[in-house]
Amino acid sequence: NAGVTQTPKFQVLKTGQSMTLQCAQDMNHEYMSWYRQDPGMGLRLIHYSVGAGITDQGEVPNGYNVSRSTTEDFPLRLLSAAPSQTSVYFCASSFGQGGRADTQYFGPGTRLTVL
Amino acid sequence: GENVEQHPSTLSVQEGDSAVIKCTYSDSASNYFPWYKQELGKRPQLIIDIRSNVGEKKDQRIAVTLNKTAKHFSLHITETQPEDSAVYFCAAIATGTASKLTFGTGTRLQVTL
Repeated sequence: NAGVTQTPKFQVLKTGQSMTLQCAQDMNHEYMSWYRQDPGMGLRLIHYSVGAGITDQGEVPNGYNVSRSTTEDFPLRLLSAAPSQTSVYFCASSFGQGGRADTQYFGPGTRLTVL
Repeated sequence: GENVEQHPSTLSVQEGDSAVIKCTYSDSASNYFPWYKQELGKRPQLIIDIRSNVGEKKDQRIAVTLNKTAKHFSLHITETQPEDSAVYFCAAIATGTASKLTFGTGTRLQVTL
């Protein structure tokens, strides 16, 4: 299994540009999440999904959209990039059915810089 | 919602000493508490976790304790080694809440020779 994969690894955008960060998992996990990591602030939840077709907002959703058309994929869209969105983005997944299923597995991250 | 506080933000210990990182949580419904280790430029990796029906859990040099009454949980690393140097995050979740993990702000552990 590849686990959780993310593309691209690095990205530089200009203010106002849009882009999609890709996330995929091959573990048949129901739950998938997007976090951003900023220095001194830990990981903050942006959006999450409990299954295909179901998404909800996390702690810091503004400026981001998500969709979940398949179990495997959970892309994160930046609609109009702003310098405040400069961060490292992690995708994570879990079975989400309680017990050991709560363990979240993280992708390798995407380092995004908005100029 | 849940709020997780983590202390200290930085911790420096000598090789062979013990390190303790403490977290508090606010939501009494939280019942799963994982700890993640993140090396520079890498993804967070689960190192140990504990559920609310257990007070302590050990895995070799790492242990986690949980005090549900006080809403405290702690990570203990004994006989620290240079490879333990990393940022450690605690987290809390109420299972059944769509796996919405809330993370602490992290502790940078430096193990010196």
